Amino acid sequence: EEQLVESGGGLVKPGGSLRVSCVASGLSFNSSWMGWVRQAPGKGLEWVGRIKSKNDGGAVDYAAPVKGRFTISRDDSKSTQYLQMNSLKVEDTAVYYCTSGGIDFDFWGQGTLVTVSS
Amino acid sequence: EIVLTQSPGTLSLSPGERATVSCRASQSIGGGFLAWYQQRPGQAPRLLLYGASSRATGIPHRFSGSGSGTDFTLTISRLEPEDFAMYYCQHYGSSLYTFGQGTKLEIK
Repeated sequence: EEQLVESGGGLVKPGGSLRVSCVASGLSFNSSWMGWVRQAPGKGLEWVGRIKSKNDGGAVDYAAPVKGRFTISRDDSKSTQYLQMNSLKVEDTAVYYCTSGGIDFDFWGQGTLVTVSS
Repeated sequence: EIVLTQSPGTLSLSPGERATVSCRASQSIGGGFLAWYQQRPGQAPRLLLYGASSRATGIPHRFSGSGSGTDFTLTISRLEPEDFAMYYCQHYGSSLYTFGQGTKLEIK
């Protein structure tokens, strides 16, 4: 059974940094495109970014609101992807979901809450 | 950037009724790049349909999708109690992903 488990969420002050992780099991992580989708409290879904598999070139793309501040990386030996978030803003407060898939998102983690507040 | 607009924002129906949710794209998109998701309260979203009309693994046959170009539709043939949830359409193109704003399907 495919499973994605996020960790590392928490409370951080504006301008601060945080790294969240996602460990995958039950899927071919090496060949999977991985990514992040967030959901602010009471709001809809917002794509954050995606990293392709190494076989597909490993390219990383980001949504405009996070470009230059967030970095996605992966460690295939650990079946883990990371989201490094710098220069955090209050508007980055959201549940961050780990996703796998290419054109669409086949599997989702349960999410980790990131709260940016002074 | 393509914008997806869902309608209606809220749909109030009774169990057993038919539900239709619309997703309109700001420009023509390939049907292969349109997906639908269901999100129940307190849960992560789950993939319902991909390629506009193909059901994901384990999705009941009462869920169907159609459309092409700029207009796509999610139909639930006969609503079950567990179907009352949020629904989102999603597009992939030019290395970017976009979601519609969501449709809330509530019990009348």
